[in-house]
Amino acid sequence: EIVLTQSPGTLSLSPGGRATLSCRASQSVSSSYLAWYQQKHGQAPRLLIYGASSRATGIPDRFSGSGSGTDFTLTISRLEPEDFAVYYCQQYGSSPWTFGQGTKVEIK
Amino acid sequence: EVQLVESGGVVVQPGGSLRLSCAASGFTFDDYTMHWVRQAPGKGLEWVSLISWDGDNTYYADSVKGRFTISRDNTKNSLYLQMGSLRTEDTAFYYCAKDKFSSSWSPLDYWGQGTLVTVSS
Repeated sequence: EIVLTQSPGTLSLSPGGRATLSCRASQSVSSSYLAWYQQKHGQAPRLLIYGASSRATGIPDRFSGSGSGTDFTLTISRLEPEDFAVYYCQQYGSSPWTFGQGTKVEIK
Repeated sequence: EVQLVESGGVVVQPGGSLRLSCAASGFTFDDYTMHWVRQAPGKGLEWVSLISWDGDNTYYADSVKGRFTISRDNTKNSLYLQMGSLRTEDTAFYYCAKDKFSSSWSPLDYWGQGTLVTVSS
């Protein structure tokens, strides 16, 4: 099983700031089959990034993903008020599909 | 518009059984692999199971293997999760979700709003 470790656990930033979230895998993620999801309180997760760096439909370009192998990053270039949420990475290249434990981006 | 609507979540005693359903609409259901993902209250996401478009292939997390069974009825555009030998640690919101791509190795692009299963005596 591929274990995904996200850091930091919580990120405290101001609107307009830049957020850099990390996701490290215990072994290489096949073909960069790595996705990022955003989850707001009381809502279902929303797909942001897939294939490590491709934005999902309707996702603003302030969200970007990068990385390969075992190290991946989600960057939010300028935080908008609606971006404060919990973010999860997920690998879907090998069974079992696994999620990271999440990073909470909160208002400073 | 894609819609996934889960149902069947209730309070059940440890050792009990339950079947969850997910009604799908707005897309060609039998083109896509479907998943169940759960989230214990206040905790992170845990992938539970998937079923291929034709139902021939299923996968499970170790935590539910042998206790849960995923199935689908493409004539009814419905996904199911039969849950047995329930434990308190199975308490969670259960989401159904669809693959983004109709080929293999796909992220999850649409999720339902979830149904709450509570295992408690």
